[in-house]
Amino acid sequence: NAGVTQTPKFRVLKTGQSMTLLCAQDMNHEYMYWYRQDPGMGLRLIHYSVGEGTTAKGEVPDGYNVSRLKKQNFLLGLESAAPSQTSVYFCASKKQGGQPQHFGDGTRLSIL
Amino acid sequence: AQSVTQLGSHVSVSEGALVLLRCNYSSSVPPYLFWYVQYPNQGLQLLLKYTTGATLVKGINGFEAEFKKSETSFHLTKPSAHMSDAAEYFCAVLSYGNNRLAFGKGNQVVVIP
Repeated sequence: NAGVTQTPKFRVLKTGQSMTLLCAQDMNHEYMYWYRQDPGMGLRLIHYSVGEGTTAKGEVPDGYNVSRLKKQNFLLGLESAAPSQTSVYFCASKKQGGQPQHFGDGTRLSIL
Repeated sequence: AQSVTQLGSHVSVSEGALVLLRCNYSSSVPPYLFWYVQYPNQGLQLLLKYTTGATLVKGINGFEAEFKKSETSFHLTKPSAHMSDAAEYFCAVLSYGNNRLAFGKGNQVVVIP
């Protein structure tokens, strides 16, 4: 049972490039989340989804887009990467009405 | 609105000494409360949670936390620190009926031999 898997684990981009981070969960969870973690800031919610085909904005959505075409996958896209988006990105999932959230191991993204 | 306050970004504790991490929250409705631990280069792992019932909650690795409604607090303790407790700890709150966790800024715990 893999839980929540994030790919890639590391990536370096140049300013202006685009990329997609993939989150996959095998627990049949309805809810999925994307966070970013920055030193001294804790985790901040970027976007989340309460079910297949639905997405919603979190605290810091600007510069990111998401899609939830399949229940098990939640994609986070950066259309035009900026240095301010250098961060560690975490995906999480949970059952509807259940707790807690289960986290992936993170994607370390550096934008030069 | 819900929010979490964790004071002291870095906490140093001697091996064998008490670990105390403070968490205060604000929530307009009864909250669910969580402590997560993050080891280097890993994701967040649940230490313990409070939803309803007993206010003293025991978690993994000898940690426990007590929900005090009158103080809006959920402080994390461990009687005797071990070197393996060196990690970052996050308190989080979820208001009933909400889908979104609010996290504190975290405490980086350093254990001194």
